[in-house]
Amino acid sequence: RKEVEQDPGPFNVPEGATVAFNCTYSNSASQSFFWYRQDCRKEPKLLMSVYSSGNEDGRFTAQLNRASQYISLLIRDSKLSDSATYLCVPTGGSYIPTFGRGTSLIVHP
Amino acid sequence: EAGVAQSPRYKIIEKRQSVAFWCNPISGHATLYWYQQILGQGPKLLIQFQNNGVVDDSQLPKDRFSAERLKGVDSTLKIQPAKLEDSAVYLCASSSRTGANNSPLHFGNGTRLTVT
Repeated sequence: RKEVEQDPGPFNVPEGATVAFNCTYSNSASQSFFWYRQDCRKEPKLLMSVYSSGNEDGRFTAQLNRASQYISLLIRDSKLSDSATYLCVPTGGSYIPTFGRGTSLIVHP
Repeated sequence: EAGVAQSPRYKIIEKRQSVAFWCNPISGHATLYWYQQILGQGPKLLIQFQNNGVVDDSQLPKDRFSAERLKGVDSTLKIQPAKLEDSAVYLCASSSRTGANNSPLHFGNGTRLTVT
């Protein structure tokens, strides 16, 4: 099993839709979880941090399920500008930050 | 707060040549990372420093790649000799603490390497 697994997509959704991505991780010692957003030919940028069961920031909600070892990202009311690749990163303890391959989101008019 | 600085932004070299990349992390960040990102894939960690010591370099191809962070601040990554498969974006990142909560990575804008 890979350390971090994400559905590469692409997820193709219309503006205004709600979309959710899952990310599974294999290291149960992971303590902190981050979602990054990466635009085409740009560096990853931090979107959300998840330390306990979840976090909400405007249209974005991240939830952590430690028992099943996955984190999810929910985007409500999708905007064209949300089109990007979303990367999840479990880390913490002695665990080295490892990226999944990311999930591609395309929001169309 | 100044971000992570990397140079050069782009580099084109021929195979078997050598190349070096430079990174200056955010001031006060003890941890520095070098990632390799091949098109269509997620970033792959090459090496992680805590101050000037190596935390992890298990995925660094040591026969051709080397990295140093002599004074615990800026860092260089070198490839010698380069191969075609080294074509990628090399991302430097820094964080305030190793292996602790509340320490997301902050990335530089990367160096895009093309090996011909």
